[in-house]
Amino acid sequence: GAVVSQHPSWVICKSGTSVKIECRSLDFQATTMFWYRQFPKQSLMLMATSNEGSKATYEQGVEKDKFLINHASLTLSTLTVTSAHPEDSSFYICSAPGLAGVNGELFFGEGSRLTVL
Amino acid sequence: QKEVEQNSGPLSVPEGAIASLNCTYSDRGSQSFFWYRQYSGKSPELIMSIYSNGDKEDGRFTAQLNKASQYVSLLIRDSQPSDSATYLCAWTTSGTYKYIFGTGTRLKVLA
Repeated sequence: GAVVSQHPSWVICKSGTSVKIECRSLDFQATTMFWYRQFPKQSLMLMATSNEGSKATYEQGVEKDKFLINHASLTLSTLTVTSAHPEDSSFYICSAPGLAGVNGELFFGEGSRLTVL
Repeated sequence: QKEVEQNSGPLSVPEGAIASLNCTYSDRGSQSFFWYRQYSGKSPELIMSIYSNGDKEDGRFTAQLNKASQYVSLLIRDSQPSDSATYLCAWTTSGTYKYIFGTGTRLKVLA
């Protein structure tokens, strides 16, 4: 199956700093990637859809200036949490559709656990 | 946002029993349905996908889809303690790129 790699797997930062999370498709090209956020004991909430070569599409209520997404190549999307605050502490997961396309299986990265002190 | 409803559980079943997980969705335009398993602190992993009405079996897992009633279910036969996890149903609608996830059902298989 397709492999999606996410880095870092965990990060601790001070309030007010920015954190960048990388998501790579290792053995396939992903023109679209999805970024999810998951708080403890809650489901995955779609934050934004990352599109290679164009602007990301953000879900309602997600601040695009706070969560910067860049999809500069067919294998890499990055999420930057700017001026992080403790309420941004969460599990961030990226994913990409496989070869079956957008109605097929989603392949997930390992997730990045962010803790903002 | 279209909703997917799941019983959050926990659902406790004894080892060797059948675990039944259910999910109802509100958008009749949905076309593809998935069950993901998520262990604590880990990313979801695909268990089953189902696209047409009826049953689909894969080993100990059977997915059932009823589009008229707008529900999808997952049966786990011969449940094992290693099956203890949160199970998320998800679906997509044709023409969109969005995967909507249910709230998840926490399953506990008791040894």
